[in-house]
Amino acid sequence: QQQVKQSPQSLIVQKGGISIINCAYENTAFDYFPWYQQFPGKGPALLIAIRPDVSEKKEGRFTISFNKSAKQFSLHIMDSQPGDSATYFCAASSPLVGATNKLIFGTGTLLAVQP
Amino acid sequence: KAGVTQTPRYLIKTRGQQVTLSCSPISGHRSVSWYQQTPGQGLQFLFEYFSETQRNKGNFPGRFSGRQFSNSRSEMNVSTLELGDSALYLCASSFTSGAYNEQFFGPGTRLTVL
Repeated sequence: QQQVKQSPQSLIVQKGGISIINCAYENTAFDYFPWYQQFPGKGPALLIAIRPDVSEKKEGRFTISFNKSAKQFSLHIMDSQPGDSATYFCAASSPLVGATNKLIFGTGTLLAVQP
Repeated sequence: KAGVTQTPRYLIKTRGQQVTLSCSPISGHRSVSWYQQTPGQGLQFLFEYFSETQRNKGNFPGRFSGRQFSNSRSEMNVSTLELGDSALYLCASSFTSGAYNEQFFGPGTRLTVL
């Protein structure tokens, strides 16, 4: 119940295309859903985050869509660029677990944007 | 503002040895969390320290331990190393503890156990 399932494992998109990565969770106590981007040799960096009180959040070319009833959320990268090639992780956390920073991560999606 | 720093960046140890990894959080941040990243298990939470107190612990054996100092710097220790402990160990800092805080990750320490 603590898992966050992420798909696909890898994704190849043409420059200018839309990249879509999906995540699903079971624990209804989760109420914070960040997405992290990781480049080789670097630590993950927060890209965008959402809470369940909204169904969509957009920041530049990055959009999170959230479906509370289906317990699913997704990351859309519009106008994908070669510089977006990285590994993307969805994550979730719950304030019920002693109000800590513990994040449960998905398994990651390796995105390659071809020029 | 300087980011999260981790030392050393790379480490090679043999089975049975112990290792200590260090993390310096962003100035002003009081929460430090540790994660283990492996190809098979992905990113897994080890523990979090806030104001020198362990706030939460993941499902790892007691060989994994940590501590935080009064200046918020943190160390994690792994005793009696096993081959399966080979991983990238990531440290993340945030201003405070709680579910909605942005966590800033360091570059990690790559530990190889031979």
